[in-house]
Amino acid sequence: GQQLNQSPQSMFIQEGEDVSMNCTSSSIFNTWLWYKQDPGEGPVLLIALYKAGELTSNGRLTAQFGITRKDSFLNISASIPSDVGIYFCAGPRDDKIIFGKGTRLHILP
Amino acid sequence: ETGVTQSPTHLIKTRGQQVTLRCSSQSGHNTVSWYQQALGQGPQFIFQYYREEENGRGNFPPRFSGLQFPNYSSELNVNALELDDSALYLCASSLVPVQAGWTDTQYFGPGTRLTVL
Repeated sequence: GQQLNQSPQSMFIQEGEDVSMNCTSSSIFNTWLWYKQDPGEGPVLLIALYKAGELTSNGRLTAQFGITRKDSFLNISASIPSDVGIYFCAGPRDDKIIFGKGTRLHILP
Repeated sequence: ETGVTQSPTHLIKTRGQQVTLRCSSQSGHNTVSWYQQALGQGPQFIFQYYREEENGRGNFPPRFSGLQFPNYSSELNVNALELDDSALYLCASSLVPVQAGWTDTQYFGPGTRLTVL
């Protein structure tokens, strides 16, 4: 079936560091979505990308739609404690949205 | 807060039982999607309802069924519960359904944690 592969699976960083994570697929997507999920809550949309090569920012978050349409990247600059959580990439395929398994971000005290 | 509510918050059932989960969509949204999220995994699409009709289904057996009501709230029913059905069940509402590889923004509720013993 359709799969979105996210890496890394988890990250342990110091507060203030920049973070990079990515998402790849064996097939093309026309839209890339990045969500964050906090414990006990549903995912919240961070950034949506609609065009190959597009670079979009939302505060300290920046995401890019890969030129091949088979990948996307999310960067977080100057991480803060509230950035802790699980980050999912997702994309629509036919009449459903497919999610990756997530990247778990931990911030060391 | 997204305006999407789900009930109950937590639920414990035993194998073979049936369960009904409920979702109230955000005001003005006529589409509700349901997802199953197992521990340590991303959400997996179960099905989508648009204007009271099922409009897209993932790879789940028929014992997973749903309803959407005229006010666009929705129910997810699971019959003959199995241990592997233990998961967080999320619903999401949107203005229009996912179709042809395009999606409007989906707003997720906090989920219902189902434990099957």
